[in-house]
Amino acid sequence: QKEVEQNSGPLSVPEGAIASLNCTYSDRGSQSFFWYRQYSGKSPELIMSIYSNGDKEDGRFTAQLNKASQYVSLLIRDSQPSDSATYLCAVKGAAGNKLTFGGGTRVLVKP
Amino acid sequence: DGGITQSPKYLFRKEGQNVTLSCEQNLNHDAMYWYRQDPGQGLRLIYYSQIVNDFQKGDIAEGYSVSREKKESFPLTVTSAQKNPTAFYLCASSIRGVSEQFFGPGTRLTVL
Repeated sequence: QKEVEQNSGPLSVPEGAIASLNCTYSDRGSQSFFWYRQYSGKSPELIMSIYSNGDKEDGRFTAQLNKASQYVSLLIRDSQPSDSATYLCAVKGAAGNKLTFGGGTRVLVKP
Repeated sequence: DGGITQSPKYLFRKEGQNVTLSCEQNLNHDAMYWYRQDPGQGLRLIYYSQIVNDFQKGDIAEGYSVSREKKESFPLTVTSAQKNPTAFYLCASSIRGVSEQFFGPGTRLTVL
């Protein structure tokens, strides 16, 4: 069973600080990695995709991938109360187009 | 507007009844997916379809059935054989061969 693990949180950060979220995966052949944001009662929204080792920045979000250590992380800079949500890590394995999701990390940004 | 629609938003079912959840997309995506989400949990794949008239079981297909007669539609039937169907059901779609999936608004099913 291929697994994706996340700390369930909640991760509490003060407004303006950096929130750091981590995700580890078991399938060493995984190729593509995604971060989704899910507000309470809503559906997931894709916020970041990363395919190669290193950092990828998009606005206040930075995704970091380390395939050798099998982890992917998400940094949220200048955190805002509107960033309070659950962040889901999703991984595409070596075969097919299916995604495996982690359980999500709940983030609370306090004013 | 291009997007994915799911209906109904809320659905109540009595034990022993089959119910069908609708998922429609006008993004011209080839692949469509059904997930189930339980409170405080991640998403688990029920069924997926890469092309019309073809679909595959996901990790938790027991008690569910699907059809894919049209590219834009991928309905999910929750049968009476599903032991614990109360959950949030999410439909997603993607361009074939591309991993990024986009989600509809979801259907919340409650069994009374």
